[in-house]
Amino acid sequence: DSGVTQTPKHLITATGQRVTLRCSPRSGDLSVYWYQQSLDQGLQFLIQYYNGEERAKGNILERFSAQQFPDLHSELNLSSLELGDSALYFCASSEGTGAQPQHFGDGTRLSIL
Amino acid sequence: GQNIDQPTEMTATEGAIVQINCTYQTSGFNGLFWYQQHAGEAPTFLSYNVLDGLEEKGRFSSFLSRSKGYSYLLLKELQMKDSASYLCAVRALITGTASKLTFGTGTRLQVTL
Repeated sequence: DSGVTQTPKHLITATGQRVTLRCSPRSGDLSVYWYQQSLDQGLQFLIQYYNGEERAKGNILERFSAQQFPDLHSELNLSSLELGDSALYFCASSEGTGAQPQHFGDGTRLSIL
Repeated sequence: GQNIDQPTEMTATEGAIVQINCTYQTSGFNGLFWYQQHAGEAPTFLSYNVLDGLEEKGRFSSFLSRSKGYSYLLLKELQMKDSASYLCAVRALITGTASKLTFGTGTRLQVTL
């Protein structure tokens, strides 16, 4: 158990819809990262928050947005969903922004029908 | 940009030793991580190298040569439970305080009897 909690574990929805994925970091971790993992691709970095502020951005689509709240939990919002958005979405957390390893949650499996 | 190469698949026998290589090209290199990921599960942290040389942790060791853009993960006394994907991830500084972790597509290791 990494200590990172993601909900829901599975999500099935239709094209055009909007969903929110939730992540609670390990106790004491200030950084939260979001990743997308598709079958044909590796882990793709989406975005990082540190203590409530956006710190780094990866290949995140404009239809996707995220935020980190004062209690340090984070949400990833995906809108105007397309079939290609079907993937595993992982949240990870680390103590700071330095060389500490990232610890991953179990992921949310998103299926778009 | 960043480019990370790992073999797609490897097979080894229980009890043997296997070496998984990773080559990378990046600017702002600031460390290399190895993660293990069983199918459908979260990646788990194995090792971290930022300076040249070998880091040993039980049955697993990781080596880094920054001048060659090269790392390897060495797994000794292979067990069936080591069958998994092994992800090489390179950390690079984006700005003075922000960094980004880029994952390779992973090496799927099959341990056989």
